[in-house]
Amino acid sequence: DAGVIQSPRHEVTEMGQEVTLRCKPISGHDYLFWYRQTMMRGLELLIYFNNNVPIDDSGMPEDRFSAKMPNASFSTLKIQPSEPRDSAVYFCASSLFPPQERTGELFFGEGSRLTVL
Amino acid sequence: QKEVEQDPGPLSVPEGAIVSLNCTYSNSAFQYFMWYRQYSRKGPELLMYTYSSGNKEDGRFTAQVDKSSKYISLFIRDSQPSDSATYLCAMSGGSNYKLTFGKGTLLTVNP
Repeated sequence: DAGVIQSPRHEVTEMGQEVTLRCKPISGHDYLFWYRQTMMRGLELLIYFNNNVPIDDSGMPEDRFSAKMPNASFSTLKIQPSEPRDSAVYFCASSLFPPQERTGELFFGEGSRLTVL
Repeated sequence: QKEVEQDPGPLSVPEGAIVSLNCTYSNSAFQYFMWYRQYSRKGPELLMYTYSSGNKEDGRFTAQVDKSSKYISLFIRDSQPSDSATYLCAMSGGSNYKLTFGKGTLLTVNP
């Protein structure tokens, strides 16, 4: 399997622009997670899906952020409008098990590095 | 006090050295402890997983949990240049299923 695939790998945009990050999870993984990583805050869970349904979006920072999963093989994270403080690496991860299983076996993509000027 | 504290380093050691990486935590409900390894410009990957207290060994890696001190460690024996990466601790437990990550320690093993 190719693993979790994210695009774009790098995005540089100007404040106020819309940003869309994309993720293809590992086939057969029913759980998909979006994380954000910064030096200041480390890795933070933004939202996770089970069978394409958002289960917990309490980590989404504000209404400018939205995530969708239209089918089992594709998810998007959108930021509109973007702000400089959104600059971070955004990771998508997938898993066979729900987070409540606590096995910790998350499979991460290589991340999308976002810079908002 | 932050839930999980991890010394960011950087930590630089010669090849063959024994490396000790540590995290402290404040939430006594944490029972599930993991170590993730993250190479530069890559996503984290699970390295070790332990439940509750005790030790777990996997090759050159040993994970240790001391719940009484709220302290976890990862030891790397005979460190190799390929071990150069950022190591993140992660933990969960109690009513909060979400993984809480440390900020990571950057390790460089010099040949």
